[in-house]
Amino acid sequence: AQTVTQSQPEMSVQEAETVTLSCTYDTSENNYYLFWYKQPPSRQMILVIRQEAYKQQNATENRFSVNFQKAAKSFSLKISDSQLGDTAMYFCAFMKHGGGSGNTGKLIFGQGTTLQVKP
Amino acid sequence: NAGVTQTPKFQVLKTGQSMTLQCAQDMNHEYMSWYRQDPGMGLRLIHYSVGAGITDQGEVPNGYNVSRSTTEDFPLRLLSAAPSQTSVYFCASMRLGGTQYFGPGTRLLVL
Repeated sequence: AQTVTQSQPEMSVQEAETVTLSCTYDTSENNYYLFWYKQPPSRQMILVIRQEAYKQQNATENRFSVNFQKAAKSFSLKISDSQLGDTAMYFCAFMKHGGGSGNTGKLIFGQGTTLQVKP
Repeated sequence: NAGVTQTPKFQVLKTGQSMTLQCAQDMNHEYMSWYRQDPGMGLRLIHYSVGAGITDQGEVPNGYNVSRSTTEDFPLRLLSAAPSQTSVYFCASMRLGGTQYFGPGTRLLVL
């Protein structure tokens, strides 16, 4: 069974600075997806970034980038130029890739990291 | 294009009552899922569906039933509500090989 671990329950960062959120996972699968979701106080789950395990290049989305280390099973999220609107809970998630009946859309979530951006 | 919609937004139930949480998507996605989120925790999968007429259990299925008669709708039924089912419930949908899109959530309080 797959597991996802986020070891930082809470973090804070000053506005305009950079912060990195950690995530490790355990799986015996070779093909999979990894995600970071943001959950602001509104509770809406918002996709931040997605990484396919077969891609060596780290995914980036504007101020958000990941450091994907497949051998170490590590998937950290870096937020550059932090903004007050980045204050939220961030979840790391894993999904097995199988295609056809093997790809069920089953996401495995970590426990989350609460990020506070301070002015 | 409304995406994934959920009703109601908030519901209070008494122990033993039954109810149905509604979920609909207008993106013609094959996969739909229900998750629950308890305080301070990540989401956990309750049930999922890979297409109309096909459903299966997730990590925490006890006390819940689902059906998928159409591509668009995936209701979640609580058979006999218990205080342990107090949670926030999220519905999600995705296309094969794609990314899951979540609804806004339903907050359920069971007294």
